[in-house]
Amino acid sequence: GEDVEQSLFLSVREGDSSVINCTYTDSSSTYLYWYKQEPGAGLQLLTYIFSNMDMKQDQRLTVLLNKKDKHLSLRIADTQTGDSAIYFCAERSGAGGTSYGKLTFGQGTILTVHP
Amino acid sequence: DTEVTQTPKHLVMGMTNKKSLKCEQHMGHRAMYWYKQKAKKPPELMFVYSYEKLSINESVPSRFSPECPNSSLLNLHLHALQPEDSALYLCASSQGLESSYNEQFFGPGTRLTVL
Repeated sequence: GEDVEQSLFLSVREGDSSVINCTYTDSSSTYLYWYKQEPGAGLQLLTYIFSNMDMKQDQRLTVLLNKKDKHLSLRIADTQTGDSAIYFCAERSGAGGTSYGKLTFGQGTILTVHP
Repeated sequence: DTEVTQTPKHLVMGMTNKKSLKCEQHMGHRAMYWYKQKAKKPPELMFVYSYEKLSINESVPSRFSPECPNSSLLNLHLHALQPEDSALYLCASSQGLESSYNEQFFGPGTRLTVL
C-alpha cells in the first residue's frame, strides 16, 4: 500500500531556512500536499504540487519534487516563531474521473523555531 | 466563505452517553469527510460523503454513525464510545471526488474526551 515518511523533528533558529523532507512510495501519486497544523487547530493547506512539476514557489515557501526518487521537500525561507507547528506531507493517488483520491499522510514533522 | 466550522469545540462524554458532532461548510463543496486524529499523529480517514451519499467507510466501528442531512452539513453521531476513542475529530470538505484537484479544507476540529 501507499506509505509516506517524514522525519519527526526539526529545530531551527529564527531567520534561518527550514527544510522538511518527505518520501513516498506510490508511483501513481498525482498531487502532493503540505499541510500545517498549529496546536489545538485543524489542518491548513500550505501548498501543493502536481506530479508533473519539479518545483513550485509561493512567497516564503518552495516545494521541490524529485519524482524519480519519490522525494518531496518544503523549504521555508526566513523562518519565524509563528512557523512553529506540525507539518504534514500528504499524497493523493487515483485522482480524476470518478475515482476517489485518498489522501495518505506522513507522520508529521514538528518544527520548532528558536528566537 | 472558505471556512469549515465544527461544533462543539470540546466535548466530554461518558461511555453510555449519546452525543453528536456537527460540521458545516458554505463553499458549495459536494464531498465531505470525517477524520480522527490522535495526539502528534496524522489524521486517519473515517468516512467520505459525496453528493450527500456515503461513499467510503474505512471500517469504522458502528458506535460512530455519520449523517449528511444536506450538502452543507455533516454530522457524526456517537454512542457507547470507549476511552480510546478520545481524539481530535476533524471535518473536511472538497469540491468533489470527481475533481482532479480536490483540495480538502479542514475545520478546526472537536476535541473529544471519553471518560
